[in-house]
Amino acid sequence: GAVVSQHPSRVICKSGTSVKIECRSLDFQATTMFWYRQFPKKSLMLMATSNEGSKATYEQGVEKDKFLINHASLTLSTLTVTSAHPEDSSFYICSARDLAASGVQETQYFGPGTRLLVL
Amino acid sequence: GENVEQHPSTLSVQEGDSAVIKCTYSDSASNYFPWYKQELGKRPQLIIDIRSNVGEKKDQRIAVTLNKTAKHFSLHITETQPEDSAVYFCAATRAGVTGGGNKLTFGTGTQLKVEL
Repeated sequence: GAVVSQHPSRVICKSGTSVKIECRSLDFQATTMFWYRQFPKKSLMLMATSNEGSKATYEQGVEKDKFLINHASLTLSTLTVTSAHPEDSSFYICSARDLAASGVQETQYFGPGTRLLVL
Repeated sequence: GENVEQHPSTLSVQEGDSAVIKCTYSDSASNYFPWYKQELGKRPQLIIDIRSNVGEKKDQRIAVTLNKTAKHFSLHITETQPEDSAVYFCAATRAGVTGGGNKLTFGTGTQLKVEL
């Protein structure tokens, strides 16, 4: 089945530094990937839609200069949290769609998530 | 945009009993409704989904029903087991829409606890 990996799984950084999170589709090509943020005991909040070869589409209220997204290939999207602050601490999860799937192409497969702690 | 409401927020059942989680959506154009199970600290896992051209779908102990007229859909888990304990999220989207990326709108989640 479709597998999505995420790296790193956990990161601790100092305030003011930048952190890059990678999302990879391991056995399929994903022209579209999604980035979510999840607070403890809360739902998944869509941050942006990452499109291969074009600019990401950000949800209302998400700062595009703060959360840089790059979808350089059909299997890799990256999210960079720039100048991180403690309020950016959260669980970040990516997902990808397998457009070549013979079944439901709308199905999103999730990565394992990255827990970010900014000190 | 789409708005999905989910109830209840927490649900405790005895092992072997059934559990039902309900969701309502606002966009009548939504036509794909997946359900995800998320264990603590883990990724959401798709457990079942339904498209708007059917009213019910079943996979072993899990079933989903859809009422397009009322714009609500439900997850039914029968013969619950302790390993069913997790947070369950419903979601809705317009499938087959180009450009928009078929964004999923998630419900607020239901913490299911199956007690021995």
